[in-house]
Amino acid sequence: QVQLQESGPGLVKPSGTLSLTCAVSGGSISSSNWWSWVRQPPGKGLEWIGEIYHSGSTNYNPSLKSRVTISVDKSKNQFSLKLSSVTAADTAVYYCARAPMQELLGAFDIWGQGTMVTVSS
Amino acid sequence: QSALTQPASVSGSPGQSITISCTGTSSDVGSYNLVSWYQQHPGKAPKLMIYEVSKRPSGVSNRFSGSKSGNTASLTISGLQAEDEADYYCCSYAGSSLYVFGTGTKVTVL
Repeated sequence: QVQLQESGPGLVKPSGTLSLTCAVSGGSISSSNWWSWVRQPPGKGLEWIGEIYHSGSTNYNPSLKSRVTISVDKSKNQFSLKLSSVTAADTAVYYCARAPMQELLGAFDIWGQGTMVTVSS
Repeated sequence: QSALTQPASVSGSPGQSITISCTGTSSDVGSYNLVSWYQQHPGKAPKLMIYEVSKRPSGVSNRFSGSKSGNTASLTISGLQAEDEADYYCCSYAGSSLYVFGTGTKVTVL
């Protein structure tokens, strides 16, 4: 059973860079799946941030593209998110999620528990 | 890419059926049969309930069903139960390897 676990600092200063990692357990990150980041500001809805394939190919939400970098580390079976020039508007619960390529198309079938990141000085 | 439009809240009594709409555009919901629905209880991660408009993942109750007409997708919950009280989000593939979520709907069981 594949599981995802987010980790990273819970507090980031304004104008700084938010950095999170999602560890994949119970399966290989090199399987036929895209790996995504989704965020949810307090009391608000979900926003897709972007995704990565184990080859390193990425796709980003145009609204965040200039500030987002998603990378993969196959040796550690994990992928990461970096969001630069953060403001209070980036305060949110950040989730990592899996999007299968061969079934359950266009859906996120496995999610991490989420990690709260607050942007504040 | 704008968020898909959902009603802010929907309510029903136990045993009743409710339907949540999800309205997009011809660039997302209207163009692809890749609409999914997620259930989210407070403080928890979203859970996939429906994918590819109307398919249910293994383990999801058959009380949940999905459909689509034009630019609007719908999620129906039949035989409403107390445990169904949660937030529900739709999501659609929007082309160019992009995804867009709905605004979310709070379901209340009266």
